[in-house]
Amino acid sequence: DGGITQSPKYLFRKEGQNVTLSCEQNLNHDAMYWYRQDPGQGLRLIYYSQIVNDFQKGDIAEGYSVSREKKESFPLTVTSAQKNPTAFYLCATNNLGHSNQPQHFGDGTRLSIL
Amino acid sequence: GQQLNQSPQSMFIQEGEDVSMNCTSSSIFNTWLWYKQDPGEGPVLLIALYKAGELTSNGRLTAQFGITRKDSFLNISASIPSDVGIYFCAGPNGSSNTGKLIFGQGTTLQVKP
Repeated sequence: DGGITQSPKYLFRKEGQNVTLSCEQNLNHDAMYWYRQDPGQGLRLIYYSQIVNDFQKGDIAEGYSVSREKKESFPLTVTSAQKNPTAFYLCATNNLGHSNQPQHFGDGTRLSIL
Repeated sequence: GQQLNQSPQSMFIQEGEDVSMNCTSSSIFNTWLWYKQDPGEGPVLLIALYKAGELTSNGRLTAQFGITRKDSFLNISASIPSDVGIYFCAGPNGSSNTGKLIFGQGTTLQVKP
């Protein structure tokens, strides 16, 4: 979706290395989300944030960390503790002012192990 | 916890055929969302449904919010090659307005020209 920028498009991680995936939005949306997608599977929630300086763990938070210092930005760090990081990572945003607002997605970052 | 089951898991059809897929929930939903994901890209919202029984169209796509509020259907008429992709249903995760969604496993559609 326009307005949500994920970078880089492709990323390679060495053994024992931390890597950070960027997600920036100019939609002025309150909430931001990180998902992991493995081949042939649906989207699994890693972390989400409803407001600046606050975030909550999703279903598969182990081995990941996030920060929300600005409304526009929600970077995801894949730490060395994540032993199987190869996947497609998707960032999404939505507004919380009205109930059940759809989430809108960036174009994803594909992370691979070197 | 809540679960969404999509079927079929995959479909391989001839160009011009109509397609039907569905999504069922273990609990009642008050919103159903349908997304399409092209290879290597993020999902894009196709249709949003907010009322039981609602029938909404978007071009050749039609989606319905089931009367029981535990299911939803997506139909594609006269399929074309660019319909190829993964189709996901989604609904609110939990009863409170957290903004979180739960996603089905996806239906992979392949269209033979």
